[in-house]
Order: sequence, then structure tokens, then C-alpha cells
Amino acid sequence: AQSVTQLGSHVSVSEGALVLLRCNYSSSVPPYLFWYVQYPNQGLQLLLKYTSAATLVKGINGFEAEFKKSETSFHLTKPSAHMSDAAEYFCAVTRRNDYKLSFGAGTTVTVRA
Amino acid sequence: SQTIHQWPATLVQPVGSPLSLECTVEGTSNPNLYWYRQAAGRGLQLLFYSVGIGQISSEVPQNLSASRPQDRQFILSSKKLLLSDSGFYLCAWSATPWGSYNEQFFGPGTRLTVL
Repeated sequence: AQSVTQLGSHVSVSEGALVLLRCNYSSSVPPYLFWYVQYPNQGLQLLLKYTSAATLVKGINGFEAEFKKSETSFHLTKPSAHMSDAAEYFCAVTRRNDYKLSFGAGTTVTVRA
Repeated sequence: SQTIHQWPATLVQPVGSPLSLECTVEGTSNPNLYWYRQAAGRGLQLLFYSVGIGQISSEVPQNLSASRPQDRQFILSSKKLLLSDSGFYLCAWSATPWGSYNEQFFGPGTRLTVL
């Protein structure tokens, strides 16, 4: 079975500062990993995905994530936070040919002016 | 391109009343379909998924049921709502998994309040 753990349910950053959201996964087989963003009262939007190609994955809105097998991590970063980045972020894991995703509990990001 | 629709967007229902939420997908065929619920402070909970017409898998025993009467239509129902059914309901779709990565694409959601 696969699972993810997101460290920190709430993260507060200043506008222009680095955003770092942590995700560690557990999987007995090569994982596929995803980051989603959810704005208030909206559905989830896919930010980026790791599917065993390049370990550094670039996504939308300036976000990127690095797959580190030795650390079983897939942390999400953005060099400079914008007010529009305030949202909830979910990490998810699956494996090849699996119907289901396993989601983390989510991290809420607030951005201070 | 593919589009996923959910309705209604918001719903306020009394305890004991029935429920029907609808989800439709456009621009793809034979998708996998999913219903999730987000209750306050509880993250995403997978309720049902379907890999084809009439094929429904239930993840959590509850007061809800799901049906898939057409290839791209997924319906969530209840005969009698409970207060604990309140939450934000999300529908999602993915392509068939063979050869893909099973990324899921989400609809806009339905906010259900049971009073």
C-alpha cells in the first residue's frame, strides 16, 4: 500500500519569500507522485507530476518539486511567494496501473503582505 | 479538451431528505470516475469509484450510494441525509490506467449543508 505524509498542516510565508511544502511517501513499488492545489470552494487543480522521468519536475505557476528516492520525498517549492499562492496543497501517490490516488492531509498556505 | 461538470454548486437540505448530485465529463470516453468528500478538517475521503458503466466500488460504508447510468455520467445519491453528510463533494475523472499515470482531474465541487 502507498501513502503520503505532509509535514505541517499550515505554512505562513511573506510575499516574495521561498515556499517549501514537504511530502514524504511510502511505496513498495516505483511511485507516481502528484501535487494539487485547491483554492477556497473550488476543485483540485494539478500543479505537477512525477512519473519516473526527470527527478526535478516543473509545474504551473512557478512551482517545482524534486523526487528524492533516498529520502522518499517529493517536496514542493516556489522561489518567491505571491498573494495568489494562498491555498491548500495536497500531495498524492499512486503506482502504475492503479485506479486510486492516496492523498496527504493537505497543507494550507497563507501569504503575508 | 476534457471538461468535468458538477451540479448543483451549492445545496442546503434538511435532515432526512434525499440527495442527488450529478457529475458529467466531456471530451473523453470510458473514463474512470470518482466521488470524494471533504469534511471540515478531514482532508479528502474517497467515497466511490467506477471503471465502467454499472461498475461501482465503495470505499467507505455510509449513507450514500453511487450510480453510473452512462459512460460519462456519475451520480451520488442518498435516501435520507444525515447531519454528518455535510461537506464539499468532488467528482474526478482519470483515463484508463493501462499505460497512463492515473492522474485525476477534478470538477468544481458541490457544497452540501445538511440542517
